[in-house]
Amino acid sequence: AQKVTQAQTEISVVEKEDVTLDCVYETRDTTYYLFWYKQPPSGELVFLIRRNSFDEQNEISGRYSWNFQKSTSSFNFTITASQVVDSAVYFCALSEAFGANSKLTFGKGITLSVRP
Amino acid sequence: IAGITQAPTSQILAAGRRMTLRCTQDMRHNAMYWYRQDLGLGLRLIHYSNTAGTTGKGEVPDGYSVSRANTDDFPLTLASAVPSQTSVYFCASSPGSNEQFFGPGTRLTVL
Repeated sequence: AQKVTQAQTEISVVEKEDVTLDCVYETRDTTYYLFWYKQPPSGELVFLIRRNSFDEQNEISGRYSWNFQKSTSSFNFTITASQVVDSAVYFCALSEAFGANSKLTFGKGITLSVRP
Repeated sequence: IAGITQAPTSQILAAGRRMTLRCTQDMRHNAMYWYRQDLGLGLRLIHYSNTAGTTGKGEVPDGYSVSRANTDDFPLTLASAVPSQTSVYFCASSPGSNEQFFGPGTRLTVL
């Protein structure tokens, strides 16, 4: 069975601090996909990134970066120089092989509060 | 319509009543999903449909039913609502590339 663990439940930082959100996953599949979604206070789910299990390259997008390490089954998300607008709930998710059977298993989410 | 729409936006319902949450997408995606979001539990899959005419059970299907008569619509029905079904419900669709596109959600309160 698939499982996603986000051990941190709430994180509070001061603006401009860097913050890392941890994600650990379990799966028996050799091919899988990992995701991060952001849920701002307005409630919608915003897609941030998708990685497949064959691509362990780290990715950077502006102030966001992701570190995927298969050896530790982790897919951590770092926000550099955090801003108040980064305040949200962040979900890590896992899905099995490509195709219509791409049901997502979500972690419980991390509530990030960025204080001015 | 652009993307995924859900209706109603929010609803307060008496226990025992029947309720259908609507979900429509205009992206011609084959796969559609219903999740519920509860504080401290994240999102959990209720039911899914890989293509029109087929449906499957997710992690928490009890008390819910779905149908998929066509590609665009994927309604979720609570036959007899109970307070434990108070939640925020998200519909999602996928073209089969593993990325899922989510609707805005329906906030349901069962009293």
